[in-house]
Amino acid sequence: ILNVEQSPQSLHVQEGDSTNFTCSFPSSNFYALHWYRWETAKSPEALFVMTLNGDEKKKGRISATLNTKEGYSYLYIKGSQPEDSATYLCALDRGSTLGRLYFGRGTQLTVWP
Amino acid sequence: DADVTQTPRNRITKTGKRIMLECSQTKGHDRMYWYRQDPGLGLQLIYYSFDVKDINKGEISDGYSVSRQAQAKFSLSLESAIPNQTALYFCATSDPTRTGELFFGEGSRLTVL
Repeated sequence: ILNVEQSPQSLHVQEGDSTNFTCSFPSSNFYALHWYRWETAKSPEALFVMTLNGDEKKKGRISATLNTKEGYSYLYIKGSQPEDSATYLCALDRGSTLGRLYFGRGTQLTVWP
Repeated sequence: DADVTQTPRNRITKTGKRIMLECSQTKGHDRMYWYRQDPGLGLQLIYYSFDVKDINKGEISDGYSVSRQAQAKFSLSLESAIPNQTALYFCATSDPTRTGELFFGEGSRLTVL
């Protein structure tokens, strides 16, 4: 069993607050780390795919960092908006079979206006 | 129109019935996947296919079978549905020549009574 852990499980913030959550994974046999955003009643959509230790990626107010040596990634949202409310999933690709991902349970973010 | 389309979107059935969930894609990707989402758990891989002649079991394939009818079509069957197969099912595709990110359908919610 390969454990990809996400914390916290859920998060409630006020509009304008900045927030961050964590994805932890086994550091051995690392190939890539994916972040997905999943809005209710929609399809999960990829935010970032990160491969290199120390990688930092940014898309608008959302950014992510990666530490492959210690096995964690952080996702940051600056100035949260109600439309950021979603479940954020991380997934580990170990590269042995490209595209076979191991998902965490997700962090459910609710942003109150 | 969605690039990855799943039918049906919702289905209620009874124990012992045969159910087929269908997935079609217009992205031109060779790789297709079926994942299952249970509340409080991460997405779990049921089956995956890297081309029409290549079918592979995932972590939770027992009780399921698949058919890859064409590059664009990948169907999941439950030969004799049981209540613990009640879940949200996602089809996904990926392009291995790029980042390996998954492109998901909108999900099929199956309830087995």
